[in-house]
Amino acid sequence: QVQLQESGPGLVKPSETLSLTCTVSGGSISGYYWSWIRQPPGKGLEWIGYIYSSGSTDYNPSLKSRVTISVDTSKNQFSLRLSSVTAADTAVYYCARTRNEVYFDYWGQGTLVTVSS
Amino acid sequence: QSALTQPASVSGSPGQSITVSCTGTSSDVGSYNLVSWYQHHPGKAPKFVIYEVSKRPSGVSNRFSGSKSGDTASLTISGLQAEDEADYYCCSYAGSGTPYVFGTGTKVTVL
Repeated sequence: QVQLQESGPGLVKPSETLSLTCTVSGGSISGYYWSWIRQPPGKGLEWIGYIYSSGSTDYNPSLKSRVTISVDTSKNQFSLRLSSVTAADTAVYYCARTRNEVYFDYWGQGTLVTVSS
Repeated sequence: QSALTQPASVSGSPGQSITVSCTGTSSDVGSYNLVSWYQHHPGKAPKFVIYEVSKRPSGVSNRFSGSKSGDTASLTISGLQAEDEADYYCCSYAGSGTPYVFGTGTKVTVL
């Protein structure tokens, strides 16, 4: 059974960079697409971007200028960096495996990141 | 891309059937048979229950079924059980640009 676990700081200051890591267990990170998705409090889900195990990426155009997703296949991990954060970036951040580039078959439990000074 | 529209809440008694709608546009739901549905119990990892409009993943109860007509997709839960009480989100592929658009979410309550 594939399991995903997000990790990283729960509090980030405005204008700084949010950094999260997703550790994949129970399966290999190779050969799949891996996404980051977020949910601001009281709002719906928003796809942030994905990375293929080879390193190719695609990002949500609304966040593209601030997002970087990277992968470390040796550690079975992939990471998210979101720069110049504001309060609007406060959200629960999920990592998920993306199948056939069209649906998400395994998700992490999510981690709340609050942007506040 | 705007979020897909779902009813905020749907309720039903144990054993009944309920349907959750997911309305998009001709650019997303209407253009692709690539709608998926996710069940989310707060604090837990979301679980996908339907993909490609009506396909059920291995291990998901056959009480869950999906369909689509035009720009609206639907998730039906038959034989409603207490464990089905959760939030449900739809998602549609929307082509290049912003390839995934999610629904606003529906809270399903078992009375």
